[in-house]
Amino acid sequence: EADIYQTPRYLVIGTGKKITLECSQTMGHDKMYWYQQDPGMELHLIHYSYGVNSTEKGDLSSESTVSRIRTEHFPLTLESARPSHTSQYLCASKYQGEAFFGQGTRLTVV
Amino acid sequence: SQQGEEDPQALSIQEGENATMNCSYKTSINNLQWYRQNSGRGLVHLILIRSNEREKHSGRLRVTLDTSKKSSSLLITASRAADTASYFCATYNYGGSQGNLIFGKGTKLSVKP
Repeated sequence: EADIYQTPRYLVIGTGKKITLECSQTMGHDKMYWYQQDPGMELHLIHYSYGVNSTEKGDLSSESTVSRIRTEHFPLTLESARPSHTSQYLCASKYQGEAFFGQGTRLTVV
Repeated sequence: SQQGEEDPQALSIQEGENATMNCSYKTSINNLQWYRQNSGRGLVHLILIRSNEREKHSGRLRVTLDTSKKSSSLLITASRAADTASYFCATYNYGGSQGNLIFGKGTKLSVKP
């Protein structure tokens, strides 16, 4: 098991709420990623970071934002959640080409 | 845009049979990787093959890479019910700044006991 953790595992919230999905890794990896995945579908890269104070948007446009103040922490924030944000969010770090994934956060916006 | 495309989308076999999954990609790569995802979980890295390698083995897994055809295959021999999962290929190339891992759509494998 990789040392990368996501919380919460499951989250059900109302429309318009602000939420932050947490992702932490203890491996000291510089590169971290957020992917969005609908059930049974492909992964879409929404954000990535190559190190502290580095953040970039991925291939899939997302209304979420990220920050990277510390190497081990890469939180994702939705300022105003909508039902269209309902999905699974996977965080990963990468070292020497190999990606290590967290267990994911399954978000439902009602 | 997605880089890899797995084929088939779904595969159902009996325990003990071999399972073969294919992946095609579009641009040049430095390496190609296969990942496994159990339902509702994160992905787990299985195997990495570099662009200058043609075949690689790891336990019951065999991966091939044909850079001229931009394709790769993953073979699971003597499958078990516990192999039931989705399998994704991911390509890594130094596009843009430092490159990112781009995943395919996945093959959903079901192994019946």
